[in-house]
Amino acid sequence: GQQVMQIPQYQHVQEGEDFTTYCNSSTTLSNIQWYKQRPGGHPVFLIQLVKSGEVKKQKRLTFQFGEAKKNSSLHITATQTTDVGTYFCAVRGVDSNYQLIWGAGTKLIIKP
Amino acid sequence: NAGVTQTPKFQVLKTGQSMTLQCAQDMNHEYMSWYRQDPGMGLRLIHYSVGAGITDQGEVPNGYNVSRSTTEDFPLRLLSAAPSQTSVYFCASSYQGARVVAGELFFGEGSRLTVL
Repeated sequence: GQQVMQIPQYQHVQEGEDFTTYCNSSTTLSNIQWYKQRPGGHPVFLIQLVKSGEVKKQKRLTFQFGEAKKNSSLHITATQTTDVGTYFCAVRGVDSNYQLIWGAGTKLIIKP
Repeated sequence: NAGVTQTPKFQVLKTGQSMTLQCAQDMNHEYMSWYRQDPGMGLRLIHYSVGAGITDQGEVPNGYNVSRSTTEDFPLRLLSAAPSQTSVYFCASSYQGARVVAGELFFGEGSRLTVL
């Protein structure tokens, strides 16, 4: 079945450093969504990417969808304490039904 | 708008007990779903529904039942609780159940279940 690998599992950064998480699939995706979950909270939708090669920006966050629609990345520039949490990708394959398949998440930790 | 409301927020059960997690949404979303979240494993889909009267199994349906008698409500029933069902459960809904491009998921705040 559809599987997605998200790396790294954890990333420790100093405040002000950049952060990147990657989401990779072995099969072509119809779309990908990114969510953020604060500690003890629930996932909150950030963005959806649909088109091959698509790049979208939200302030310090940059989202990319690969040309082959098999991978995606989320990059945060100059991290702040408010960025702390776990970032998930959720994908839907071209042959899938309504089900989103979720990556295991990347936990962003700001070093004290 | 309250969004997606889940109850209870916390529950402790003994092995073999049954219970129902409630989920209600006031956004008139056709699509509703239940996920469980375990440490380091992301979210796994238990059951979902694309409209009243229609339900289907997700990735990990065993031990759980659902029904969708109204657009607003989508309860999750644990038939005979087991320690392996200790988890955080999230209900989520979406305004669009389209096959290829679906809307964002709106999540409830979660229900933390411990089975002893």
